[in-house]
Amino acid sequence: GENVEQHPSTLSVQEGDSAVIKCTYSDSASNYFPWYKQELGKRPQLIIDIRSNVGEKKDQRIAVTLNKTAKHFSLHITETQPEDSAVYFCAASKGNQGGKLIFGQGTELSVKP
Amino acid sequence: EAQVTQNPRYLITVTGKKLTVTCSQNMNHEYMSWYRQDPGLGLRQIYYSMNVEVTDKGDVPEGYKVSRKEKRNFPLILESPSPNQTSLYFCASSLGRGMGVEQYFGPGTRLTVT
Repeated sequence: GENVEQHPSTLSVQEGDSAVIKCTYSDSASNYFPWYKQELGKRPQLIIDIRSNVGEKKDQRIAVTLNKTAKHFSLHITETQPEDSAVYFCAASKGNQGGKLIFGQGTELSVKP
Repeated sequence: EAQVTQNPRYLITVTGKKLTVTCSQNMNHEYMSWYRQDPGLGLRQIYYSMNVEVTDKGDVPEGYKVSRKEKRNFPLILESPSPNQTSLYFCASSLGRGMGVEQYFGPGTRLTVT
């Protein structure tokens, strides 16, 4: 079955710097790659997603890139702010399975003022 | 307000005492799922349901049961809880059709089994 590896497990940056989180997946049939943000004590919430027919997607300060050949995708956060501090999860899915997601292990991002 | 609700939010119980965690969504979603979250392991799927009366095992189903008698409800049942089931549990729902659909998570249930 699908396996998703996420790195790093923790990441500390200074406010204003960029942060990059990387994920690799094993199943070449996966075609949907969402990223979820989980603030302390809260539920995970979708922040951005990308489908396999697109190589890059951007939404203000966050962007996701996908390399289907290498089977990896990355989350990029620019101009980080303290409120970006959270745990970020990548996930992969085959869309025809109606939303079954396999999650990575999570990255705890800390943005220091 | 569109939402996924879970009850209880916190539960401390003893080994072997059957318990049920309820999950309900008001968005008419077809797909519902249960995850457990443990440090360093991310979110692992326990069971999922594609529609009423259709359920299937996720990645870590041992020790859990589910049922989907109504579209809006998807309870998680621990027949004989053990300490290794101490975890944070999330229910989630999504439309379930097409390629790539957002999953909406409930607030979580923190379970401690002593």
